[in-house]
Amino acid sequence: AQTVTQSQPEMSVQEAETVTLSCTYDTSESDYYLFWYKQPPSRQMILVIRQEAYKQQNATENRFSVNFQKAAKSFSLKISDSQLGDAAMYFCAYRYRPGNQFYFGTGTSLTVIP
Amino acid sequence: KAGVTQTPRYLIKTRGQQVTLSCSPISGHRSVSWYQQTPGQGLQFLFEYFSETQRNKGNFPGRFSGRQFSNSRSEMNVSTLELGDSALYLCASSPDGGNTIYFGEGSWLTVV
Repeated sequence: AQTVTQSQPEMSVQEAETVTLSCTYDTSESDYYLFWYKQPPSRQMILVIRQEAYKQQNATENRFSVNFQKAAKSFSLKISDSQLGDAAMYFCAYRYRPGNQFYFGTGTSLTVIP
Repeated sequence: KAGVTQTPRYLIKTRGQQVTLSCSPISGHRSVSWYQQTPGQGLQFLFEYFSETQRNKGNFPGRFSGRQFSNSRSEMNVSTLELGDSALYLCASSPDGGNTIYFGEGSWLTVV
């Protein structure tokens, strides 16, 4: 069964600094999709970034980038130049393919210190 | 485009009652999935519908059911509510063949 593990329940970062959130997953598949979602206090889940496993290049979205290590089954999220609005719960997620369910990690609560 | 819309946003029910939650997907999206979020269990998959057919189902008891209409709107129903059903219920939609799901704001259910 697919599992997604986020080993950091809480993280904090100073405003304008960089922080990395960790995620590992378990799968026997070779092609799949990985995601980071952000859940602010409003509770609406917002897509931050996604990565297709067949792509070797790490995905980047503005200040957000990932370090995808397929062999190690690791998918970390780096947030550069952290802003107060980045404070939220961050969930790592795995999906085998469209139509299959998402598997979510337990989340990392990120605090941004002014 | 309007996002995923969930109603009601907040509701309180009594043990033993039933509840129906509604979800309108993003226009053009035919896939709708439901997730339950609780502090203890995190985000758990309930089911997914595509073109009015249940395509996937999570590991929840039969008290949890859903359906999808021809306009892609979806409802989920929980019968004989238990205190443990108190949770945030999130609906998400996805375009055909899309690998990403887009969430609504959720429906907060409190069972007393």
